[in-house]
Amino acid sequence: KNEVEQSPQNLTAQEGEFITINCSYSVGISALHWLQQHPGGGIVSLFMLSSGKKKHGRLIATINIQEKHSSLHITASHPRDSAVYICAVTMNYGGATNKLIFGTGTLLAVQP
Amino acid sequence: GAGVSQSPSNKVTEKGKDVELRCDPISGHTALYWYRQSLGQGLEFLIYFQGNSAPDKSGLPSDRFSAERTGGSVSTLTIQRTQQEDSAVYLCASSLQGRLRNYNEQFFGPGTRLTVL
Repeated sequence: KNEVEQSPQNLTAQEGEFITINCSYSVGISALHWLQQHPGGGIVSLFMLSSGKKKHGRLIATINIQEKHSSLHITASHPRDSAVYICAVTMNYGGATNKLIFGTGTLLAVQP
Repeated sequence: GAGVSQSPSNKVTEKGKDVELRCDPISGHTALYWYRQSLGQGLEFLIYFQGNSAPDKSGLPSDRFSAERTGGSVSTLTIQRTQQEDSAVYLCASSLQGRLRNYNEQFFGPGTRLTVL
């Protein structure tokens, strides 16, 4: 079992729909990251959070530490939101390394 | 300011040859990471540098892989005797390492696409 699980793996939505991508993890973490990767493009950090909720434009990320679960929401989705969304965690094990452990990603396609 | 840069953007090599991949982190970022993104494996950690501390090499898949970071800035990832399974996108990221907390947002470079024929 992967330490970071995402669902769904693939998601197709119509423009304007509200989208939710889920991430569950099985280890203690210092922080959880949501990343975005457009086809053929680089990786951009959307959020880093360790508790509660963050909002940036039409994107909202929430985390429940007790349940080891995070969600990424996109409101009023647009075709330019089409990308792979990746959940990653920084483990909390007292070590010095803050390497990211990645989920397998969710491929989102928003159709006009 | 300038982001993380990597070179070359694409590298095609023959099996058995050595390759060097370069990463220029954001100026002032003390932490530098190498990751690999391949079709079958997704994204995986390779190696981490933080200041003058010994690097965390726990993600390097074999002793053919090595990396160094000179002067706390530029890093080079070297793959010796390349194999076809080394074909992947190699990503570099950097971050500030805050005094009050160890984890910080990572900024990724555009990657180097390595193809081993």
